[in-house]
Amino acid sequence: AQRVTQPEKLLSVFKGAPVELKCNYSYSGSPELFWYVQYSRQRLQLLLRHISRESIKGFTADLNKGETSFHLKKPFAQEEDSAMYYCALRGRDDKIIFGKGTRLHILP
Amino acid sequence: EPEVTQTPSHQVTQMGQEVILRCVPISNHLYFYWYRQILGQKVEFLVSFYNNEISEKSEIFDDQFSVERPDGSNFTLKIRSTKLEDSAMYFCASGWNSPLHFGNGTRLTVT
Repeated sequence: AQRVTQPEKLLSVFKGAPVELKCNYSYSGSPELFWYVQYSRQRLQLLLRHISRESIKGFTADLNKGETSFHLKKPFAQEEDSAMYYCALRGRDDKIIFGKGTRLHILP
Repeated sequence: EPEVTQTPSHQVTQMGQEVILRCVPISNHLYFYWYRQILGQKVEFLVSFYNNEISEKSEIFDDQFSVERPDGSNFTLKIRSTKLEDSAMYFCASGWNSPLHFGNGTRLTVT
């Protein structure tokens, strides 16, 4: 079964501290993995995708096929990083499956 | 950068009424989707649309829901007889060869 698991509903991190948002997936085959971010009252935005290996707003994520994980990381949290983060998987049928989301709260 | 636009941004309706949520996807995209997000819950897939027909729908997308692409630019979601539990944020998305581009969403409040 296709599934995306984000084990943390809420993650509170002090400004300047490292951030890691966990994402594990279940999929038979080679999925595409994404991170989407939703700032307060705004649309979902693509943060990054594993194919491009870009670093956006200081965030990176590495696809680990052995651990079926795609954790989102940032070395130094900033207050503007406070948002809802969704890990997502795109399978063969083109459907996007979202995790339940993790609310990242950056403490001053 | 082109955007997916959704109207209205907020719709309030009475239970039992019909609502139509409108979306204008990005023009060269071929796949269209509706997702919804009930307050405090995860984003849920409703339906995908390709080549003028539904390609997949979730168990949420029952007979009360329908989608249309009436004129080649708009993509609408109709809820025939709204229920209280239909209150949610509804997101339209379009894509072509991924990733998806999402609209700002329409907040539907059923009273």
